[in-house]
Amino acid sequence: AQRVTQPEKLLSVFKGAPVELKCNYSYSGSPELFWYVQYSRQRLQLLLRHISRESIKGFTADLNKGETSFHLKKPFAQEEDSAMYYCALTNGSSNTGKLIFGQGTTLQVKP
Amino acid sequence: NAGVTQTPKFQVLKTGQSMTLQCAQDMNHNSMYWYRQDPGMGLRLIYYSASEGTTDKGEVPNGYNVSRLNKREFSLRLESAAPSQTSVYFCASSDRFLGGGTAEAFFGQGTRLTVV
Repeated sequence: AQRVTQPEKLLSVFKGAPVELKCNYSYSGSPELFWYVQYSRQRLQLLLRHISRESIKGFTADLNKGETSFHLKKPFAQEEDSAMYYCALTNGSSNTGKLIFGQGTTLQVKP
Repeated sequence: NAGVTQTPKFQVLKTGQSMTLQCAQDMNHNSMYWYRQDPGMGLRLIYYSASEGTTDKGEVPNGYNVSRLNKREFSLRLESAAPSQTSVYFCASSDRFLGGGTAEAFFGQGTRLTVV
């Protein structure tokens, strides 16, 4: 079954602490993995995609095909990072681009 | 640049009423999608359209219909609303097409629908 799992509903950390939001997936084929973020009162937007191997706002994510994971990390959390984060995947060889989302993790960064 | 625009932003319906959610994108994208967002369940795909003139069911299509009116517009219709359809609905688009494009999805601001 195709599935994305984010085991933590809520992750609460203090400003300056490291952050790791977990994402595991189950997919046969060649998935493309993404992290989307939804700040309060804003629309959902792309944060990272694994094929770009980039760092956005200090966040990085590495695709581990052996562990089927795509965890999102940041060494020092900031208060403005507080938001809902979704891990998502799509079939890399499909023309549809439809996404399968995880349940989402709310990141709360306390001052 | 408006991106993806959804209307309305909020709606309250009585059980059994019908309504259409409108979505338009100005990025010349081929693919468009309707998702619903429910607490603890993430976003689930209702219907999608990989190109103008085609539509396909997603994970949770029951109770919904869609129309890809042209390349810009993709509407979602609830024929007979039920309380289980209370949710936040998101329209999205991407330029993924057969043989290429990116799957990065651009989202509308959402429609908060309550069925009483």
